[in-house]
Amino acid sequence: AQSVAQPEDQVNVAEGNPLTVKCTYSVSGNPYLFWYVQYPNRGLQFLLKYITGDNLVKGSYGFEAEFNKSQTSFHLKKPSALVSDSALYFCAVRTTNTDKLIFGTGTRLQVFP
Amino acid sequence: GAGVSQSPSNKVTEKGKDVELRCDPISGHTALYWYRQSLGQGLEFLIYFQGNSAPDKSGLPSDRFSAERTGGSVSTLTIQRTQQEDSAVYLCASSLDGELFFGEGSRLTVL
Repeated sequence: AQSVAQPEDQVNVAEGNPLTVKCTYSVSGNPYLFWYVQYPNRGLQFLLKYITGDNLVKGSYGFEAEFNKSQTSFHLKKPSALVSDSALYFCAVRTTNTDKLIFGTGTRLQVFP
Repeated sequence: GAGVSQSPSNKVTEKGKDVELRCDPISGHTALYWYRQSLGQGLEFLIYFQGNSAPDKSGLPSDRFSAERTGGSVSTLTIQRTQQEDSAVYLCASSLDGELFFGEGSRLTVL
C-alpha cells in the first residue's frame, strides 16, 4: 500500500528566511511524488513533481523539492519565504503501477512579516 | 472547458436526503478523481476513473456513496441518505499525464 506522511501540522517562518516543509512516503516500486498548494478559499494548485532524473526538482513560485530515495523523503524548500507563501501544502504519491494519487494530511505554512 | 468545473459550489441538505455532485473535467483528460476534504483535514481519496471505468473504489466510505462517469467526461458522485458526518468539501480533479488539475470543490453541509 502507498502512503505519505507530513509530520508537521504547521510551520512558521519569518519572511526572507528559508523554509522547509517535510514529506516522507512509503510505496512498493518507484514513486511519483508531487507537491500541491491550497490558498485560502481556493482550489489546489500544482507546484512541482518528481518522476525520474535529477533529484532536485524546481517548480512554481520559486519552490523546489529534493527526492531522497534512501530516506524516502521529498521535502519542499524555498530559499527565501514570502508572506504570500502562507497556505496549506500537500505532498502526494503514486507509483508506476497505479494512477491512484494519495495525499498527506497537509502542512499549514505561516510566513510572518 | 478551461478548467475543472464542479457543481453545485454549495449544497445544504437535510439528514437522510440524497445529493448529487457533478464534475466536468478538462476536455481530453482521461483520468478523473474524487477526494473529500473535511474541515481542517487532509484530502481523503474516494475513487478514480480511467475513462469510464473505476479501477479503484477503495476510498468510498460506505455503500451510501457511489460514482459514475459517462462518455469519458462528466462524473457524478451520489451520496444517499446523507449523514452529518458527510459534511465536507468534495473535490474533483482530472488528469492526462499524472498532474492533477482540481476544481473549486462542492461544499456539502448536512443539517
